[in-house]
Amino acid sequence: QQQVKQSPQSLIVQKGGISIINCAYENTAFDYFPWYQQFPGKGPALLIAIRPDVSEKKEGRFTISFNKSAKQFSLHIMDSQPGDSATYFCAASMSNTDKLIFGTGTRLQVFP
Amino acid sequence: DTAVSQTPKYLVTQMGNDKSIKCEQNLGHDTMYWYKQDSKKFLKIMFSYNNKELIINETVPNRFSPKSPDKAHLNLHINSLELGDSAVYFCASSIIGKGDNEQFFGPGTRLTVL
Repeated sequence: QQQVKQSPQSLIVQKGGISIINCAYENTAFDYFPWYQQFPGKGPALLIAIRPDVSEKKEGRFTISFNKSAKQFSLHIMDSQPGDSATYFCAASMSNTDKLIFGTGTRLQVFP
Repeated sequence: DTAVSQTPKYLVTQMGNDKSIKCEQNLGHDTMYWYKQDSKKFLKIMFSYNNKELIINETVPNRFSPKSPDKAHLNLHINSLELGDSAVYFCASSIIGKGDNEQFFGPGTRLTVL
């Protein structure tokens, strides 16, 4: 019940295309859903996050869509760029704890 | 300025040895973490400390012992290293130990056990 399932494992997109990564969770006590971006040889860094009281959050080209009833959330990267090539992790936590549960990661490659 | 730093960046050692990884954060955060990232990129929390007190201790062999001399430092000591310990270890910190606070990760330490 503590798992966060993430798909796809890898994704290849052409420059300018839309990248979509999906995550699903079981524990309805989760109330914070961040996405982290990790470049090769670096640590993960927070990209964008959402709480379940909203269905969508947009920051620039990055949008989180959240479906509370389905217990699913997704990251959309519009106008994907080669510089977006990285591994993306969804995560979930309960805000009254400090434990982040990470998804299994998606390796995104954007080709020019 | 490096926010979360780790040393060393690479560590190659033989099975059975004891090694330490050091972590320092200059963000003034109260909470620090150790994560293990395996070869499949799976990222799993090992420990968290809040103001030098152990908060989270996941199911980690007791060969792994974190030590926090002050709230800016969290070191990881590993005894009797095994092949399965090979991974990238990340230190992270957050302002308060709450799940909705951004965690800032260090650059990682790649440990290879031969």
